[in-house]
Amino acid sequence: DQQVKQNSPSLSVQEGRISILNCDYTNSMFDYFLWYKKYPAEGPTFLISISSIKDKNEDGRFTVFLNKSAKHLSLHIVPSQPGDSAVYFCAASSSFSGNTPLVFGKGTRLSVIA
Amino acid sequence: DGGITQSPKYLFRKEGQNVTLSCEQNLNHDAMYWYRQDPGQGLRLIYYSQIVNDFQKGDIAEGYSVSREKKESFPLTVTSAQKNPTAFYLCASSILGDFGNTIYFGEGSWLTVV
Repeated sequence: DQQVKQNSPSLSVQEGRISILNCDYTNSMFDYFLWYKKYPAEGPTFLISISSIKDKNEDGRFTVFLNKSAKHLSLHIVPSQPGDSAVYFCAASSSFSGNTPLVFGKGTRLSVIA
Repeated sequence: DGGITQSPKYLFRKEGQNVTLSCEQNLNHDAMYWYRQDPGQGLRLIYYSQIVNDFQKGDIAEGYSVSREKKESFPLTVTSAQKNPTAFYLCASSILGDFGNTIYFGEGSWLTVV
């Protein structure tokens, strides 16, 4: 059973517009969430994270929103740039579980069209 | 430079042979991980180690083996028992922060069985 779900396998957005990537989770014990960006044939790079004590975290063009009651988080990229075209993975963990592996979603492929 | 180094980047193996992928980190991270990514697929956990001389199986450990004799090193052996070894292999390490576990990835290794 998937505990972290990214229901959109792909997303296309015009350059300069907003990209919104979504992620849902089922485990109520998850309280730390991360987004990773991955280019083909490269390792994923850590993008941004959010703890459940917050509902928003911002870093430049990237903002992550967390809705705990809905068990939903989203990554907003504004404005979108062609270099943002990549696969984005959502991941989750519980602070009670120490340094155990993150649970990853299956990823969403973002294409930013010039 | 601090980081996670995987070698080799590309590796070809004949069927029936074992092969070992190297992973070294100089980030002083306690935990290390091996993931596998198949084309168009998400990240699947093979093995992880939270501390030296200890490791646990992930979701797809069959046909793989690991060792963790040093904090910096976590090599993965792909044995001849692995039925479909051709894939992109990712090593990672993590640090437990105030809010949760953040994983950092290496650049990956391509293994092709010929």
